[in-house]
Amino acid sequence: EAQVTQNPRYLITVTGKKLTVTCSQNMNHEYMSWYRQDPGLGLRQIYYSMNVEVTDKGDVPEGYKVSRKEKRNFPLILESPSPNQTSLYFCASSPGGVAHTGGYTFGSGTRLTVV
Amino acid sequence: AQKITQTQPGMFVQEKEAVTLDCTYDTSDPSYGLFWYKQPSSGEMIFLIYQGSYDQQNATEGRYSLNFQKARKSANLVISASQLGDSAMYFCAMREGFEEYGNKLVFGAGTILRVKS
Repeated sequence: EAQVTQNPRYLITVTGKKLTVTCSQNMNHEYMSWYRQDPGLGLRQIYYSMNVEVTDKGDVPEGYKVSRKEKRNFPLILESPSPNQTSLYFCASSPGGVAHTGGYTFGSGTRLTVV
Repeated sequence: AQKITQTQPGMFVQEKEAVTLDCTYDTSDPSYGLFWYKQPSSGEMIFLIYQGSYDQQNATEGRYSLNFQKARKSANLVISASQLGDSAMYFCAMREGFEEYGNKLVFGAGTILRVKS
């Protein structure tokens, strides 16, 4: 089954304790992105990757890091989480090459709470 | 400036009736795509329908149709014959150009739809 797998689904952590949210896709997609969802703001792109070792900042990158060492994996790293990073996070992948319709696959989401 | 505007924070609809969720967008790129997603209380993002900027006809997918008015820059979602299971948050989103910023989607704030029995 074609899917994007995110882990964990739920995470409560304390301020300053480094954490990683994993994301893996099995569709050989070139493009992967991380989004955060906040009430009244919809989803906003944090970081994206256009292929292995090619990553760039999205609209709200402060406080986050990513890496793309393998095509299938795109982890999101919070080196020193703060309460304002409490949010619902989504990883999404999409194929490259041509414009596509509905070709995005989203993970199930990670609900992060930083206390 | 907001690129995607959903002006209805919440909507109610009677079961079996049709409902329209509003979405306006702003872009100067001639090539773009418009998407609608459904997010039930469980949180996952479910793709509903897509409209390309060059598509001549309005997109339809089962009970979902997209009322695309290019000159007005609107892309309203119409759900016909509402069902209780349609109760969810609905997001309108846009992709500008081709493969820009990793195929970035820009989302609206969402509309919560509640279907009454």
